[in-house]
Amino acid sequence: NAGVTQTPKFQVLKTGQSMTLQCAQDMNHEYMSWYRQDPGMGLRLIHYSVGAGITDQGEVPNGYNVSRSTTEDFPLRLLSAAPSQTSVYFCASSSWGGWQFFGPGTRLTVL
Amino acid sequence: RKEVEQDPGPFNVPEGATVAFNCTYSNSASQSFFWYRQDCRKEPKLLMSVYSSGNEDGRFTAQLNRASQYISLLIRDSKLSDSATYLCVVNRNGGSQGNLIFGKGTKLSVKP
Repeated sequence: NAGVTQTPKFQVLKTGQSMTLQCAQDMNHEYMSWYRQDPGMGLRLIHYSVGAGITDQGEVPNGYNVSRSTTEDFPLRLLSAAPSQTSVYFCASSSWGGWQFFGPGTRLTVL
Repeated sequence: RKEVEQDPGPFNVPEGATVAFNCTYSNSASQSFFWYRQDCRKEPKLLMSVYSSGNEDGRFTAQLNRASQYISLLIRDSKLSDSATYLCVVNRNGGSQGNLIFGKGTKLSVKP
């Protein structure tokens, strides 16, 4: 099992560009989520999904879109990148009632 | 009161020391509690779940006090490899594990 995979590992964008951060899991987990981690702020939930076709907003959803067309994949889209979105992004998955497994993260810089 | 609050540290301790981390949470409806460990520039990894009866895993002991909304983690006989940031984690809604709130973490540095 690969667990939770994220691509890319690193990305530099210019303000206004759009991109998609990929996340995939091979554990057949129902629940998937996206977090961002900033110095001194801890992990903050952006969006989450409790199953294919179902998504909901977390604590800091503005500027991000998600979709969940399959159980395995949960991409995060930045619509128009801003410097405030410079962060480390983690994807996580869990089975219902289980603990969350995290991917290795994507380090994003927006210039 | 913040949703999950931890002492940020850093805690600098010698090898072999016993160190305790504390965490408070504000939502009395929370049902699931965890400690995660995060190494520098790595993803968080589950250290242990926390149960009302308390639980132990080797040198690590976790305790939960629902009345005081307080969670603790005790590390005995600290090793150099225990150096990391320890995250206190609580679920936001009663029952669902999915919507988790992470504390900002307590940094531990174990010195020779």
